[in-house]
Amino acid sequence: GQNIDQPTEMTATEGAIVQINCTYQTSGFNGLFWYQQHAGEAPTFLSYNVLDGLEEKGRFSSFLSRSKGYSYLLLKELQMKDSASYLCAVRIQGGKLIFGQGTELSVKP
Amino acid sequence: GAGVSQSPSNKVTEKGKDVELRCDPISGHTALYWYRQSLGQGLEFLIYFQGNSAPDKSGLPSDRFSAERTGGSVSTLTIQRTQQEDSAVYLCASSLGRASSYEQYFGPGTRLTVT
Repeated sequence: GQNIDQPTEMTATEGAIVQINCTYQTSGFNGLFWYQQHAGEAPTFLSYNVLDGLEEKGRFSSFLSRSKGYSYLLLKELQMKDSASYLCAVRIQGGKLIFGQGTELSVKP
Repeated sequence: GAGVSQSPSNKVTEKGKDVELRCDPISGHTALYWYRQSLGQGLEFLIYFQGNSAPDKSGLPSDRFSAERTGGSVSTLTIQRTQQEDSAVYLCASSLGRASSYEQYFGPGTRLTVT
């Protein structure tokens, strides 16, 4: 079966750094995606990792370790608008994405 | 350019009725996906179309669910004899193709409520 785990919710302070972890056990692996979803809106793409290591994109970075089945999303200089759900998703053989349940991040002033 | 569009944005239907949900993908995108998202839950994969290949229907929860994609563009998801547990937001996404790096662009979703 397919299993993707991430914390249900996290709270952080404006201006701080937060790390959202994701572990996965899937049949096949063709890349890992992070999406951001604000309440009532569609998910939007944040990052993609297929090789081990860190991908940096402005305030957001994503890390992957394929041997450990582990990824994290790092958000720096948190802003209130970063309050959202963050979805970890693994692309498996054949092209489809398997999503985790999402991590609800609340940024407090 | 235009993004993924879905219609209707909201649909309220009585238990037992059939519903059709429509998705217009981004022009030129050969891959199209349908997902379901129940309240407070992650996205549940339903079906995936890639070009002219046979669709991956492995996520469809029952034979009441079906989908088609005409002319490699517009897709319709049909739910027959709707049940209350079908209530959810149905999201459509498209991407450039099969390559693993291609991100999926999501539509705004159709909120289905079965009464």
